Amino acid sequence: DADVTQTPRNRITKTGKRIMLECSQTKGHDRMYWYRQDPGLGLRLIYYSFDVKDINKGEISDGYSVSRQAQAKFSLSLESAIPNQTALYFCATSDLTRGTRQFFGPGTRLTVL
Amino acid sequence: EDKVVQSPLSLVVHEGDTVTLNCSYEVTNFRSLLWYKQEKKAPTFLFMLTSSGIEKKSGRLSSILDKKELFSILNITATQTGDSAVYLCAVGSNDYKLSFGAGTTVTVRA
Repeated sequence: DADVTQTPRNRITKTGKRIMLECSQTKGHDRMYWYRQDPGLGLRLIYYSFDVKDINKGEISDGYSVSRQAQAKFSLSLESAIPNQTALYFCATSDLTRGTRQFFGPGTRLTVL
Repeated sequence: EDKVVQSPLSLVVHEGDTVTLNCSYEVTNFRSLLWYKQEKKAPTFLFMLTSSGIEKKSGRLSSILDKKELFSILNITATQTGDSAVYLCAVGSNDYKLSFGAGTTVTVRA
């Protein structure tokens, strides 16, 4: 079944380490998004990409970078992780035929010690 | 800055009760309002509303949008323990980004 997958599902790391979270999709969607979720704050947009050559900052992009390697792959990097980046990270996809509806991956729980 | 506010933040009900969740918004270039259900994992889609006054229904869940007063309501009737979740409201703008509210945590007790 067409899906959005994220790896790893859980990660514990130390302050200062470089971390990459990966997202792949088989939905054939051209648009991909990275969010973080913190308790009581809902989902906040980190970066989004409307095609392979299009990368845009969201509301909380500081401390993060992304790479759109192919239509189906969108990676999020933390160059030097810090404890307040401990959160649940979600990748999502969409396409124009579905309007603004987005489809979410299972999430990555990241803990920075 | 786009703003989406959900209320209440949490509530506890008993099975069989009816629940009403609220979502108000201030968004530039409004396109749609979406409701998602989140049960300790990925948000799953419930409804997308684009027009005022047209109620969307799916089983015991229904939702309506008021674009004049800038709010939406999600109703759950005859609640079951499986309805326990965080319900997220999101507003989509013309650039196809979503702005999320903080969510309402619903706990249904047997």
